[in-house]
Amino acid sequence: DAKTTQPPSMDCAEGRAANLPCNHSTISGNEYVYWYRQIHSQGPQYIIHGLKNNETNEMASLIITEDRKSSTLILPHATLRDTAVYYCIVDATNTGNQFYFGTGTSLTVIP
Amino acid sequence: SQTIHQWPATLVQPVGSPLSLECTVEGTSNPNLYWYRQAAGRGLQLLFYSVGIGQISSEVPQNLSASRPQDRQFILSSKKLLLSDSGFYLCAAGRNQPQHFGDGTRLSIL
Repeated sequence: DAKTTQPPSMDCAEGRAANLPCNHSTISGNEYVYWYRQIHSQGPQYIIHGLKNNETNEMASLIITEDRKSSTLILPHATLRDTAVYYCIVDATNTGNQFYFGTGTSLTVIP
Repeated sequence: SQTIHQWPATLVQPVGSPLSLECTVEGTSNPNLYWYRQAAGRGLQLLFYSVGIGQISSEVPQNLSASRPQDRQFILSSKKLLLSDSGFYLCAAGRNQPQHFGDGTRLSIL
């Protein structure tokens, strides 16, 4: 079963930052936080992951709270192509074994 | 970088017919391999995973089976399909890196 809680849906204006929250209050010390997104009828796309420190790549930034019980995925300048379902997953190893996907957050970017 | 190939992209099968979906991986050796199913409007459900040739673990009891005859080949099968087997089937690979997914097979059972 999924170990994370996400809001079912969010809207964001095009060009603005999209901040997607995720609660993982039972996360263990060796579990990473992963973010994926799924555009309709495609396979999930890896976005970013982290353990304790904040992370940034060309797609997004990941902010993890100090107690690691929640995190936020930030898309700095949302575009219409960012409309997708975003999944937050916690997993014990960096190999990503046995991911358990919840229902994610459906993000709609509005023109 | 690794690439996951799945085929066919779409498939329509009658109830009671057999099934074979194939997944092959390029760009990595000895990957962990996974089969997921996604029902319409739902999240992904892990069905099977494999850490090596001939090693298959099943996550949920079901009408399906999986096999890994080669290091980078993962096959999902059924002897007799049920209506409830309809869905979007995704193959993923990952070892020492986050899982990457194929483009999936959309299976419709009539």
